[in-house]
Amino acid sequence: DTAVSQTPKYLVTQMGNDKSIKCEQNLGHDTMYWYKQDSKKFLKIMFSYNNKELIINETVPNRFSPKSPDKAHLNLHINSLELGDSAVYFCASSQDNSGRIYTDTQYFGPGTRLTVL
Amino acid sequence: AQKVTQAQTEISVVEKEDVTLDCVYETRDTTYYLFWYKQPPSGELVFLIRRNSFDEQNEISGRYSWNFQKSTSSFNFTITASQVVDSAVYFCALSEAFNNNDMRFGAGTRLTVKP
Repeated sequence: DTAVSQTPKYLVTQMGNDKSIKCEQNLGHDTMYWYKQDSKKFLKIMFSYNNKELIINETVPNRFSPKSPDKAHLNLHINSLELGDSAVYFCASSQDNSGRIYTDTQYFGPGTRLTVL
Repeated sequence: AQKVTQAQTEISVVEKEDVTLDCVYETRDTTYYLFWYKQPPSGELVFLIRRNSFDEQNEISGRYSWNFQKSTSSFNFTITASQVVDSAVYFCALSEAFNNNDMRFGAGTRLTVKP
């Protein structure tokens, strides 16, 4: 069974569209994350979500919004897509249930390659 | 601010050679965590190791070993008797969970192992 899954694996869309990427984890973890990996392979944290508390990286445009229907899911919604949003987006999860995040190991999904035309 | 430096952008070795991937970090926190991840050509991120700042013991796992030295703020990764399947991008990462609530990845080192 896949521990952290993402759908879709590939997403090609036009500028200006709105799209969502889904993430699910079956590890029973309390914290989930979204990362962006650019064309130079640089990984950067976008969001972390723990116990209904959302921590947003200040550099993330507000066109990006994570939505968590329950503890096992953290979906990423992107409005008004721009060319610069093209990247690979990774979802991750960790146990981190002490109120502190980033202490436990993060397990990553397979990534979603987003291409904005 | 915390920072992770992987100065080696690309390394190429021949199979069976030993190779060391360097990672130097910068933090003001006394409690922090260090990680290594592997990203093979297929693209997924595979967890390799997690080490907290209070545990300076070196670790060996099969052909993989890690050398953590707080005195030089380094957490280097060595692959012994490299194999073609070791070809990947390797990322070192640092989390400062008690102050900044942040996770920073290095730029990655692309390792190519040739047969």
